[in-house]
Amino acid sequence: EAGVAQSPRYKIIEKRQSVAFWCNPISGHATLYWYQQILGQGPKLLIQFQNNGVVDDSQLPKDRFSAERLKGVDSTLKIQPAKLEDSAVYLCASSFSGGAGTDTQYFGPGTRLTVL
Amino acid sequence: GQSLEQPSEVTAVEGAIVQINCTYQTSGFYGLSWYQQHDGGAPTFLSYNGLDGLEETGRFSSFLSRSDSYGYLLLQELQMKDSASYFCAVVHFNKFYFGSGTKLNVKP
Repeated sequence: EAGVAQSPRYKIIEKRQSVAFWCNPISGHATLYWYQQILGQGPKLLIQFQNNGVVDDSQLPKDRFSAERLKGVDSTLKIQPAKLEDSAVYLCASSFSGGAGTDTQYFGPGTRLTVL
Repeated sequence: GQSLEQPSEVTAVEGAIVQINCTYQTSGFYGLSWYQQHDGGAPTFLSYNGLDGLEETGRFSSFLSRSDSYGYLLLQELQMKDSASYFCAVVHFNKFYFGSGTKLNVKP
């Protein structure tokens, strides 16, 4: 089966510019996660969708970050405007149901964002 | 809130056994997961402990003690390809909180 797809793989922008990332989860997976991983740290959950509804966005900086999953399949994460501290790898993951810990998350390759 | 502690780096030789510890403080707890991440790669699932005790999957084993808020990942017969970062993650309902990771260096 195809894995989680993300694009672009790399992006370099200047501060105050906007950027968008795209994720296509594994077919049939109801839950989609966006994580931010700063170099040397563990992934930090930004937002979690169950189908097209938001389950948790408590750590999403809503003044500049937004995300949507309109049809309950693919998703877009946007940053507007970007700051230097947004430089990180943005990981998308999906799981079948988003239930208990036995529900494995499958990660995409990530988008490495550099803000200059 | 959630707080997880792991050693930042561990070094071991090929063929040896290494244990990576994880202690946590959480407001709610469902289980403990472990993920492996090679440099430049995506995290991949290794194991999950929902109950106290040892779970074994090939060369890897994971242990959980809820009363001690403690778990570990045990890697046996280390191979060079095991050089990677290892993250423990607390599972709270359907949410995951990752530790900062342990970088494992396997030397010949």
